[in-house]
This record gives sequence, C-alpha cells and structure tokens, in this order.
Amino acid sequence: AQSVAQPEDQVNVAEGNPLTVKCTYSVSGNPYLFWYVQYPNRGLQFLLKYITGDNLVKGSYGFEAEFNKSQTSFHLKKPSALVSDSALYFCAVREEVIKAAGNKLTFGGGTRVLVKP
Amino acid sequence: DTEVTQTPKHLVMGMTNKKSLKCEQHMGHRAMYWYKQKAKKPPELMFVYSYEKLSINESVPSRFSPECPNSSLLNLHLHALQPEDSALYLCASSRGLAGGSGANVLTFGAGSRLTVL
Repeated sequence: AQSVAQPEDQVNVAEGNPLTVKCTYSVSGNPYLFWYVQYPNRGLQFLLKYITGDNLVKGSYGFEAEFNKSQTSFHLKKPSALVSDSALYFCAVREEVIKAAGNKLTFGGGTRVLVKP
Repeated sequence: DTEVTQTPKHLVMGMTNKKSLKCEQHMGHRAMYWYKQKAKKPPELMFVYSYEKLSINESVPSRFSPECPNSSLLNLHLHALQPEDSALYLCASSRGLAGGSGANVLTFGAGSRLTVL
C-alpha cells in the first residue's frame, strides 16, 4: 500500500522568512510525488511534481521541493514566504498504476500554513 | 480553457431529495474524478472515469450515482443522502491514462459544497 504523511498540522512563519512543509512517503516502487495547495472554499491547485530526474523540483509561485530517496521525503520549500501563501497544503503520492484507470492519488493529511505579516 | 467548472457551488438538500452535481471541462482530458472532502481533511477518491467508462469505484454507497454522458461532462446524482454526507465534493480531470508526464496532474474544480439536512 502507498501512503504519505505530513507530520505537522500547522506551520507558522513570519512574512519574508523561509517556509518548509514536510512530507514523507511510502511506496513499493518508484514514487510519483505531488504538492497541491488549497485556499479556503476552493479546489486544489497543482504546485509541482516529481516523476524522475533532478531531485530539486521548481514549481508555481516560487515554490520548490526536494526529493530525497534515502529519507523518503519530499519537503516543500519557499525561500521567502508571503502572507498570500497562507493556505492548506497537501502532499500526494501516486499509487501503482492500473492501466486505463487514470491516476489514483493518495493525499497526506494536509498542513495549514499561516504566514504572519 | 484550463478550468474545471462545477455547479452548483452550494447545495442544501433534505434526506429524501434527489439532486445532481455537475462538472464540465473543455481541456480534452479523458479521465475525470469525483472526490469528497470533509472539513480540514484531505480529499477522498470516490470515482474515476477513464474514456467515459467507470474505472474505479471506491466502495461508494449506492446513494451516490456517477454518470459520464460524454468526455467533457461528469455528473454525480444524489438520492436519499445522510447528514454525514455533507461535504465539499470536488471534481477533477487529467489528460488521460496514467502514463506520460502530462497525464499525472489533476486539475480540480472549485467544488460543490453540499449540506444534507
């Protein structure tokens, strides 16, 4: 079974400071990893993904994530947080694919980010 | 058009009512999904359609009935729901089959917030 864990329910950071949201995963094969963000009363927006290649993945809105195979982690980072980054962040892993079945993502529990002015 | 449109945004229904949620996308995506999200929880997969055929049913109660009339539309028919079914229902789409880098990203709609009285 595939699983993903976000150990922090909430992360508080001052505007302008670095932001890190942690994610660890467990898969039987190669992981396909994603970060999504959700603003209040909205759907999820895709930020970035890791499929293969460089361990440092750059995404939307200045976010990046580092894939670490030995630590089975995929932490989301932003060098300088903005108040507008306050939202709910979900890490997700794609389960082993069943052909013609489309994607089946497993989401972590989510981490609420609060950026204070 | 890079959006997934869901209607209605809000729906209040009694336990004996019959209603439907609608989802539409014009991105040429061939896989469409229904997710259920309770407050402060991650989305939970309900159904996956691939090429207009039901591929995955995550053991969803029969009071939820999905329908995919064509490649752009996805409906969720609701009948005899329970108060615990109150949630945000998210529709998503992806390019198609699981293979290929582009097929992996889900585009979510803003959701339909359902309240069952």
